[in-house]
Amino acid sequence: QSVLTQPPSVSAAPGQKVTISCSGSSSNIGNNYVSWYQQLPGTAPKFLIYKNNRRPSGIPDRFSGSKSGTSATLGITALQTGDEADYYCGTWDSSLSAVVFGGGTKLTVL
Amino acid sequence: EVQLVESGGGLLQPGRSLRLSCAASGFIFDDYAMHWVRQAPGKGLEWVSGISWNSDTIAYADSVKGRFTISRDNAKNSLYLQMNSLRAEDTAFYYCSNDIEGLIPSLGLNHWGQGTLVTVSS
Repeated sequence: QSVLTQPPSVSAAPGQKVTISCSGSSSNIGNNYVSWYQQLPGTAPKFLIYKNNRRPSGIPDRFSGSKSGTSATLGITALQTGDEADYYCGTWDSSLSAVVFGGGTKLTVL
Repeated sequence: EVQLVESGGGLLQPGRSLRLSCAASGFIFDDYAMHWVRQAPGKGLEWVSGISWNSDTIAYADSVKGRFTISRDNAKNSLYLQMNSLRAEDTAFYYCSNDIEGLIPSLGLNHWGQGTLVTVSS
């Protein structure tokens, strides 16, 4: 059971938009920055979003992040088949004094 | 180009010890906090431990506290994870990652290595 809650799977057609939710509590998302990671099949995770809504260099603006209260959302527009991956949210939990991740969401681009 | 290369994984019996290493290059190692994250085959990400740039602040997941020890050698641009009293549930790919800043609490895990597999089985 992960500290952060994500839907197990989402799907959408190429060219469409999808959002992935991440729900937590005041000890984690509510008072700390959220990051998002993309893990393509058979590869290491990749940094997508940091400090709730900032993109590292090289990440296209099709990827966006937002946070409201104790929840965060990753948005991906203009979906491509190459976006099929597992997506994880992560943040610091002040009560646990630990980094916590969501259980991951598998994105299928139909 | 940032490179993080883990090594030291292998197959070992429950109760044994193992030391993982992570060799870093392409960035100023002692400016950044570092982390170990693991992923059991077919499962999600689990953070294991983090260490600040100067080793002053160290944090562990409850699942490894008292058994694992993280350390770093800034002169050698290297991160380590000493794993003792290994259990079957420690079986996973172990990734090292650098934070976007130097302190703990973490603000985000920036670059990741390719991982090293640790298998604990009798």
